Amino acid sequence: GAGVSQTPSNKVTEKGKYVELRCDPISGHTALYWYRQSLGQGPEFLIYFQGTGAADDSGLPNDRFFAVRPEGSVSTLKIQRTERGDSAVYLCASSFSGLGGFTDTQYFGPGTRLTVL
Amino acid sequence: AQTVTQSQPEMSVQEAETVTLSCTYDTSESDYYLFWYKQPPSRQMILVIRQEAYKQQNATENRFSVNFQKAAKSFSLKISDSQLGDAAMYFCAYKTKGTYKYIFGTGTRLKVLA
Repeated sequence: GAGVSQTPSNKVTEKGKYVELRCDPISGHTALYWYRQSLGQGPEFLIYFQGTGAADDSGLPNDRFFAVRPEGSVSTLKIQRTERGDSAVYLCASSFSGLGGFTDTQYFGPGTRLTVL
Repeated sequence: AQTVTQSQPEMSVQEAETVTLSCTYDTSESDYYLFWYKQPPSRQMILVIRQEAYKQQNATENRFSVNFQKAAKSFSLKISDSQLGDAAMYFCAYKTKGTYKYIFGTGTRLKVLA
């Protein structure tokens, strides 16, 4: 079936604005993850959803960042009062169970490149 | 805390030749998994190969194989018969068994020369 999709592919915004980034996981995957990848770095964990609930949001940098997954499928990452330092690629991934087993591989989307001017 | 280090920011290999990408990690856990992901310019991370820490045998997937040295905490990726399509960023990643959080290295950019 289809892989993980993310929209928009690119987003340019001005400092102080609000943005929403969308992730559509693989059908049937209960676990969903958000990562942030800054230039020249590997992805850094932001938040993990198991079904509709955020099981671990320890990677969110501050309270300007928030994510939801109301029906256990599509997720939206929301960033308020954007800052230039928020510029990065935001990656979404999903996996079948999220239980951390060897075969519970995370499948990544193509990411959204956010640029804050 | 676990860390993953990739000390080679960039590597080049001639088409059809073999190249090895290095990765070291640090953990106090005994049961964990290691991964290599490929990220082409399209940005989509693709799983290349994975290894369970408890398995002595090195994982192999077609032209890709790993050299897993648990005592040395080393996990290198060997690409044989390199192809132009192998050009990408390669990330080494760690995950403790039973958890979901990947720890990624900073990546190695692989260039394949025709």
